[in-house]
Amino acid sequence: NAGVTQTPKFQVLKTGQSMTLQCAQDMNHNSMYWYRQDPGMGLRLIYYSASEGTTDKGEVPNGYNVSRLNKREFSLRLESAAPSQTSVYFCASRSGGAGNEQFFGPGTRLTVL
Amino acid sequence: QKEVEQNSGPLSVPEGAIASLNCTYSDRGSQSFFWYRQYSGKSPELIMSIYSNGDKEDGRFTAQLNKASQYVSLLIRDSQPSDSATYLCALQGTGGGNKLTFGTGTQLKVEL
Repeated sequence: NAGVTQTPKFQVLKTGQSMTLQCAQDMNHNSMYWYRQDPGMGLRLIYYSASEGTTDKGEVPNGYNVSRLNKREFSLRLESAAPSQTSVYFCASRSGGAGNEQFFGPGTRLTVL
Repeated sequence: QKEVEQNSGPLSVPEGAIASLNCTYSDRGSQSFFWYRQYSGKSPELIMSIYSNGDKEDGRFTAQLNKASQYVSLLIRDSQPSDSATYLCALQGTGGGNKLTFGTGTQLKVEL
């Protein structure tokens, strides 16, 4: 099992450009999450999907949209990138049931110039 | 007050010593607690979860939870240089969606 995969690993955008970050998991998890990690700020939740067909805002949703394409895939879109969105983005999925452990993908390092 | 507080460190311990990492939280209704390890440039890796008061041991790692005092700690016995990383405390609070709230992490350095 690959676990949680993310593409791309690195990306450089110019202000105003758009892009989609892809995330997929092969663990049959119901819930998936998008975080950003900035120095001194820790991991902050952008959006999450508790189950296929549902999405909800997290702590810092402004400037982002998400799509839960199917049970495996959860994408994050930046419609008009801004320098403040320079960050490392992590996707995670949750095991569900009695446990609440989340497992992370390798991350996407995004720079917006 | 931050929801999850950790000392940013760095915490330096000699090889073979016990490293003690602490985390306090504000949401009294929090039920699930986690410790993640994150190496520089890598993603967080789950190392321990704890759900009830007391200690939980897994190899060299022991998680301790005290809900009355609202703290959770991680002890690493026989610390190795490979344990040098940032340790993130996370909890599931009372909000919906099974969301986790993370601390900003404590950097641990294990010195030879």
